[in-house]
Amino acid sequence: DVKVTQSSRYLVKRTGEKVFLECVQDMDHENMFWYRQDPGLGLRLIYFSYDVKMKEKGDIPEGYSVSREKKERFSLILESASTNQTSMYLCASSWDFRYTFGSGTRLTVV
Amino acid sequence: AQKVTQAQTEISVVEKEDVTLDCVYETRDTTYYLFWYKQPPSGELVFLIRRNSFDEQNEISGRYSWNFQKSTSSFNFTITASQVVDSAVYFCALGSGNTGKLIFGQGTTLQVKP
Repeated sequence: DVKVTQSSRYLVKRTGEKVFLECVQDMDHENMFWYRQDPGLGLRLIYFSYDVKMKEKGDIPEGYSVSREKKERFSLILESASTNQTSMYLCASSWDFRYTFGSGTRLTVV
Repeated sequence: AQKVTQAQTEISVVEKEDVTLDCVYETRDTTYYLFWYKQPPSGELVFLIRRNSFDEQNEISGRYSWNFQKSTSSFNFTITASQVVDSAVYFCALGSGNTGKLIFGQGTTLQVKP
């Protein structure tokens, strides 16, 4: 069964901490995405990558960075976590708009 | 600019009622894709349907049906004879271009009461 795996289901971090959210896919997809989901706002694209070491800003990249050193892994980095980054984070990979989503990481910044 | 609007924030129905979830989109692209996803309480997004812009045929899958109308830029989703297991958040999404990005609507929370 093809999968997108996010390393943590729940995460609690302190303000100012550097936070890494990891995502791994086993489908050999070129494209990978990080979205955040907030009530009433739907899913908003943070960053995406269409190849190893390539990255593009999405709609809300401020306060985030990403890393894609290997095709199967796409990491989201919060350089200095803030309380307004408390959210559900969803990773996805796709080919030809055929998306597979991970189960999500619910991050709370206190 | 591309945009997806789901004007209904929350809908509550009683089991066996029919319910329609609205989706309106904006795009200047002539080739695009429209999607519906279901997010049950477990949190994982479940793919329901994908339509491309050249295929305006309506589709039915069991109790689910979709009405795609380019003239009104709408892609509405109807659940017939709703069941409690249909309770979820439903997202409409638009994809176009060569980046593979999806633009999501705000989501509609459907509650089906027994």
